[in-house]
Amino acid sequence: DSGVTQTPKHLITATGQRVTLRCSPRSGDLSVYWYQQSLDQGLQFLIQYYNGEERAKGNILERFSAQQFPDLHSELNLSSLELGGSALYFCASSPQGTFYGYTFGSGTRLTVV
Amino acid sequence: QQQVKQSPQSLIVQKGGISIINCAYENTAFDYFPWYQQFPGKGPALLIAIRPDVSEKKEGRFTISFNKSAKQFSLHIMDSQPGDSATYFCAASMSGGYQKVTFGIGTKLQVIP
Repeated sequence: DSGVTQTPKHLITATGQRVTLRCSPRSGDLSVYWYQQSLDQGLQFLIQYYNGEERAKGNILERFSAQQFPDLHSELNLSSLELGGSALYFCASSPQGTFYGYTFGSGTRLTVV
Repeated sequence: QQQVKQSPQSLIVQKGGISIINCAYENTAFDYFPWYQQFPGKGPALLIAIRPDVSEKKEGRFTISFNKSAKQFSLHIMDSQPGDSATYFCAASMSGGYQKVTFGIGTKLQVIP
């Protein structure tokens, strides 16, 4: 157990629907990062939050959004899902201060049917 | 824009052999270079990392070689074992600022008996 908790582990949804993925960072970590993993794109950075504030944005679609709550858990909202939008979504966290890399959760596998 | 280029994308090595994965980066502001190991169904886990003030770092059977002038670094797995079969990602980040990690495309390593 890495200490980063992601729920649900698997999600199957229909095209056009909206889903919410949840991430609880490791205890004491203030930064949360969301990544999308697909077979041909590797790990693509989506967005970063630090202590509730958005800090960096990557290749995140406009119909995707995220937030980090006061208890530091984060949610990634994916809407108007399309066929071909199936992917693995990972959350990672890191502490403030000197950077020693991320700790990843075990991911949410999203299947769009 | 692929800031970290990784090769090969797949690699088959016999048990006991040496596995070598190469990466190159473009952004000279990167100052932290981690490698992550990912098993099927799991999130990536930090394996070993190096900062550019050293040319080599060894942890057990895993060694990172770093060439700052060429902007290249590589992972060597000595005495490769079937249990090493996984996907390996090289990555790069800046330790200051937002600490976003940029990943390579990944290398799927298979160690055959």
